[in-house]
Amino acid sequence: GDSVTQMEGPVTLSEEAFLTINCTYTATGYPSLFWYVQYPGEGLQLLLKATKADDKGSNKGFEATYRKETTSFHLEKGSVQVSDSAVYFCALRDRNRDDKIIFGKGTRLHILP
Amino acid sequence: DGGITQSPKYLFRKEGQNVTLSCEQNLNHDAMYWYRQDPGQGLRLIYYSQIVNDFQKGDIAEGYSVSREKKESFPLTVTSAQKNPTAFYLCASSILGGGTEAFFGQGTRLTVV
Repeated sequence: GDSVTQMEGPVTLSEEAFLTINCTYTATGYPSLFWYVQYPGEGLQLLLKATKADDKGSNKGFEATYRKETTSFHLEKGSVQVSDSAVYFCALRDRNRDDKIIFGKGTRLHILP
Repeated sequence: DGGITQSPKYLFRKEGQNVTLSCEQNLNHDAMYWYRQDPGQGLRLIYYSQIVNDFQKGDIAEGYSVSREKKESFPLTVTSAQKNPTAFYLCASSILGGGTEAFFGQGTRLTVV
């Protein structure tokens, strides 16, 4: 079945460092891909999305490009801030299958001042 | 404002008791989902519904039950058959199909005492 694999955390960086969180997926159809962010004690918020190959999603300085050839959707940010500390989830939704949304296990990010 | 409301935010239950978690949305979404979140486990799908009076089991449905009598409401009952119910529960909703994103509530933290 469909699945999402993302790098395990925690990831600890200093403020203004470059961030990459890897995400790869397995899907037999044509999924949309998402990154969600979760702050402590809260629900998930959509960070960015891409609906087809080569699309780039971006928001709040974060970017991710839908790479069908490598089945990847890596999250990047050029200069992280302390306020970016959270848990990040990669997810997919395959519109041609049973319409479930599949999540990775999440990556906890700590940014040090 | 449109959104998803989960209540209560914190819930305590004695062993052997059933408890119902509320989820209401005013986004006019057809699809609704319940996820369970445990540390290091990511999000695991309990049940989902694509239309009123119909729902499907997710990956960990044992010990849980749901109903979908109204489009805007999707309550989850944690029964006494659930062996380890202490967790953070998240409800989500989305437009049906099309690979669109899901919107999440703020979650309910259930603790068995």
